[in-house]
Amino acid sequence: AQSVAQPEDQVNVAEGNPLTVKCTYSVSGNPYLFWYVQYPNRGLQFLLKYITGDNLVKGSYGFEAEFNKSQTSFHLKKPSALVSDSALYFCAVRDNAGNMLTFGGGTRLMVKP
Amino acid sequence: NAGVTQTPKFQVLKTGQSMTLQCAQDMNHEYMSWYRQDPGMGLRLIHYSVGAGITDQGEVPNGYNVSRSTTEDFPLRLLSAAPSQTSVYFCATNLLIGGAGEQYFGPGTRLTVT
Repeated sequence: AQSVAQPEDQVNVAEGNPLTVKCTYSVSGNPYLFWYVQYPNRGLQFLLKYITGDNLVKGSYGFEAEFNKSQTSFHLKKPSALVSDSALYFCAVRDNAGNMLTFGGGTRLMVKP
Repeated sequence: NAGVTQTPKFQVLKTGQSMTLQCAQDMNHEYMSWYRQDPGMGLRLIHYSVGAGITDQGEVPNGYNVSRSTTEDFPLRLLSAAPSQTSVYFCATNLLIGGAGEQYFGPGTRLTVT
């Protein structure tokens, strides 16, 4: 069975500082990896994905994520955080043969001015 | 282009009542799915469909039924509501079946069962 772990319930960072939100996964076969963001009382919005190729993928709003196969990780990063980045972030994985997308428990990002 | 729409936005049920959560999409996506979101547990897949007439169970299907008679609509039925079904429910669609496409989510339905 595939699974996703987001070890931090909350990440606090000051505006202008770099941020990292951690994600590790377990899946049979090659993974498709995704990051989604959820603002209060809204549905999830797609940020970025890794399918194949370059291990560093860039997405919306200046976010990027690094795929590390040996560590089975897909951490979300941003060089300079904004207060408006404060939201709930979800990592998700799908194996390349399946129809089911599995989500992590979510990490709340708080960016303080 | 409305994307993915869900109705109602909020609903309160008494234990044992039944109801249907509606989901509609105008993007002509073959893949549709239902998730529930509970604090600290992320999103868990209830049921999904890879096309009209085809449905399958996800991770937590008990207590829920689905059908897919058209590409556009994918209703979720609660047969006999229980307090454990208090949650926020999201419908999502995906252009590519079993593949690399990202999902598009509706705004959610907040359900409370008393």
